[in-house]
Amino acid sequence: NAGVTQTPKFRVLKTGQSMTLLCAQDMNHEYMYWYRQDPGMGLRLIHYSVGEGTTAKGEVPDGYNVSRLKKQNFLLGLESAAPSQTSVYFCASSAPGQGSDEQFFGPGTRLTVL
Amino acid sequence: GQNIDQPTEMTATEGAIVQINCTYQTSGFNGLFWYQQHAGEAPTFLSYNVLDGLEEKGRFSSFLSRSKGYSYLLLKELQMKDSASYLCAVRDSNYQLIWGAGTKLIIKP
Repeated sequence: NAGVTQTPKFRVLKTGQSMTLLCAQDMNHEYMYWYRQDPGMGLRLIHYSVGEGTTAKGEVPDGYNVSRLKKQNFLLGLESAAPSQTSVYFCASSAPGQGSDEQFFGPGTRLTVL
Repeated sequence: GQNIDQPTEMTATEGAIVQINCTYQTSGFNGLFWYQQHAGEAPTFLSYNVLDGLEEKGRFSSFLSRSKGYSYLLLKELQMKDSASYLCAVRDSNYQLIWGAGTKLIIKP
């Protein structure tokens, strides 16, 4: 069981470039999430999905898009990167209705936008 | 607005006990979580409280008072590997997690 995996682990972009972050989980979880983590701030939810084919906006969705074509994968896209999107991005998954329904996190992607 | 407050940094001695506090104001309450995050790594789940009282799990315990909007994480017999950030999060009425900024715990020998 790999749990939650993310690719890539590191990336440097120039302003205006686009990229896609991939998240995969092998725990058959229904819910998946994308967060960003910045110094001195709590994790902030970008977008989330409650099942295959569904997505919803979180707290800070502007500048990002997501897709959940397969249950195990959740993609985060940056259409035109900006320096304000320099951050560490975490993907997480959870199984609703199972105990505490805690979220399991991937290792993170460290993105720098120049 | 929604708010989670916890101290930015704490220092403790190896072998001692430390208590990390968390206060919250959220729209609704569906449970409180504590996560541990080592530098450069992902958060990992430590504990969950949904009812008032103390939950004990080995060296770690977590307490909740819903009427006071207050929780604490208690770490006993501190070890150097406990040096990490501890994140408090509350699940609100929309079933989303609202996260505190984390408490960086420094353990000294």
